[in-house]
Amino acid sequence: EVQLVESGGGLVQPGGSLRLSCDTSGFTFISYWMTWVRQAPGKGLEWVANIKFDGTEKYYAKSVEGRFTISRDNAKRSFYLQMNGLRVEDTAVYYCARRNFFDYWGQGIMVAVSS
Amino acid sequence: EVVLTQSPATLSLSPGERATLSCRASQSVRIYLAWYQQRPGQVPRLLIYDASNRATGVPDRFSGSGSGTDFTLTISSLEPEDFAVYYCQQCTSWPLTFGGGTRVEIK
Repeated sequence: EVQLVESGGGLVQPGGSLRLSCDTSGFTFISYWMTWVRQAPGKGLEWVANIKFDGTEKYYAKSVEGRFTISRDNAKRSFYLQMNGLRVEDTAVYYCARRNFFDYWGQGIMVAVSS
Repeated sequence: EVVLTQSPATLSLSPGERATLSCRASQSVRIYLAWYQQRPGQVPRLLIYDASNRATGVPDRFSGSGSGTDFTLTISSLEPEDFAVYYCQQCTSWPLTFGGGTRVEIK
């Protein structure tokens, strides 16, 4: 069974940092692009970043480029989102997902940016 | 950036009726369009990928069609659990983008 589990969310002040993790199981992790998607409260879905199976290509939404960094550890079957310079508008539920169309999703984790 | 425009914003229908949702792209995305369903308080669920392929476990009352810039998601006969928000998403070019969503509500 394919599983994705996020961790690392929470409440942080503007300008602060958080690192999200997504631990996976049930599939050949090294074969897939992996993605972060977010959803602000009451809003639609927004793609954040994704990373190629070997980590050699990474892409970011303009809204997070230069502040967020996606990475992966294929040995641990995990990937990450380092979020620096957090803004109030980054407040959202963050989902990790598999592939560039998102066939499996994690349960989501809340990131709240507030003073 | 490919902009996806979904219409209508809200669709009010009764159980058993047919739902037709539209997604229009600002430039061609070939067939690389997906549809998702999100029920209140739940994680989005992939319904359709590559415009017309049903994801694993998706009932056959859901069908997708289209290519290029115009796409349609059809629900042939609405079940109570189908009342939800539906999003389209393109994966032909970065940034990957979603449409704004169509809410299918009970009339």
